[in-house]
Amino acid sequence: GAGVSQSPSNKVTEKGKDVELRCDPISGHTALYWYRQRLGQGLEFLIYFQGNSAPDKSGLPSDRFSAERTGESVSTLTIQRTQQEDSAVYLCASSLLQIYSGNTIYFGEGSWLTVV
Amino acid sequence: GQSLEQPSEVTAVEGAIVQINCTYQTSGFYGLSWYQQHDGGAPTFLSYNALDGLEETGRFSSFLSRSDSYGYLLLQELQMKDSASYFCAVIEGSGNTPLVFGKGTRLSVIA
Repeated sequence: GAGVSQSPSNKVTEKGKDVELRCDPISGHTALYWYRQRLGQGLEFLIYFQGNSAPDKSGLPSDRFSAERTGESVSTLTIQRTQQEDSAVYLCASSLLQIYSGNTIYFGEGSWLTVV
Repeated sequence: GQSLEQPSEVTAVEGAIVQINCTYQTSGFYGLSWYQQHDGGAPTFLSYNALDGLEETGRFSSFLSRSDSYGYLLLQELQMKDSASYFCAVIEGSGNTPLVFGKGTRLSVIA
């Protein structure tokens, strides 16, 4: 696609429910990243995919968070048993190659998650 | 580990010049990027410095001093639409790592 697409754009869920957030990167981009941004805060790294593998999962906040990527394309971030502290915007980004080549990363508009 | 420091807020007058500083501490350093984010929007790429010196792109310039672990973003001829948050971000180590972002500087441009 023309840009990074994320869905849903907004999600309100009850505490304890599971949520799935989807990211469609720019076609042909091999690297995909998930970040979390709480209101008025900076971007917190969650996980990074190169192709379908995740060499860096260090940012996942707890075992309630998991992510996968298939077909070197779509990625899903799953949050199980959501807590109120999970409320944030979840940003997905992609880049053509790995970051070291100085490539720009392109962000989607984010999925705004509110846990009530 | 790594940390980045940038001012939390800056206010400047329309038409003026503003400089947003960023200092960083990393276990290894590969490059420094700057991103702009308007309220409710996605961060967008502004600039990337891997070598010391100044990179200019239109009204925006970015500077890096690797020896000082310091960089800045310079915005000239400020416009109201430049009101946004600006994030510095480092690429560390071998370079094969995701961007690590600072907490952002909120720039308010006033008339």
